[in-house]
Amino acid sequence: ILNVEQSPQSLHVQEGDSTNFTCSFPSSNFYALHWYRWETAKSPEALFVMTLNGDEKKKGRISATLNTKEGYSYLYIKGSQPEDSATYLCAFNGSGNTGKLIFGQGTTLQVKP
Amino acid sequence: DGGITQSPKYLFRKEGQNVTLSCEQNLNHDAMYWYRQDPGQGLRLIYYSQIVNDFQKGDIAEGYSVSREKKESFPLTVTSAQKNPTAFYLCASSSGSGPQETQYFGPGTRLLVL
Repeated sequence: ILNVEQSPQSLHVQEGDSTNFTCSFPSSNFYALHWYRWETAKSPEALFVMTLNGDEKKKGRISATLNTKEGYSYLYIKGSQPEDSATYLCAFNGSGNTGKLIFGQGTTLQVKP
Repeated sequence: DGGITQSPKYLFRKEGQNVTLSCEQNLNHDAMYWYRQDPGQGLRLIYYSQIVNDFQKGDIAEGYSVSREKKESFPLTVTSAQKNPTAFYLCASSSGSGPQETQYFGPGTRLLVL
């Protein structure tokens, strides 16, 4: 089974801090990298889907970059707010013709007001 | 309202009992998935279905079974062969089966063993 690793496992920041975390995935047979946000008592929601090396995506204060050659993606949150508190999941697709995703264990972010 | 529903929210299983978790979607999606979450681990794929009347094993299919008789429904049965069924189960669906397809998740079912 292929491995997807996320670090750190958890993170506590103050409101207004900027933060980032890492997703590492296999650099071979890459098709897509997904980021999801999972708030407590809710369902995971999609943030980004990234496919091209060097890709950079942005949604509000959240952005992500992708390096498929070395097998990592960074998620950045600028000026964290309490509502950003959630678990952030990355998921790797190395199967090509299916939607099979391999998920990392997640990074849990807690933003203190 | 379009979405994915899972029921029940909590389910209790006795030793030797089979239990079935429901997953229904009204998004007209072709593909559906079942994941299991355990503490400290990522979501692990149990089964997936790319089209009606077809499904494939995921990474941890042992002790589970599924059916896909209707496009909108993908029930998961946890059989007595699954020795450690206590977990949180998430169902998801996507419009197609390509690697870029976003998956939409239901609210989950927590299964506990009595």
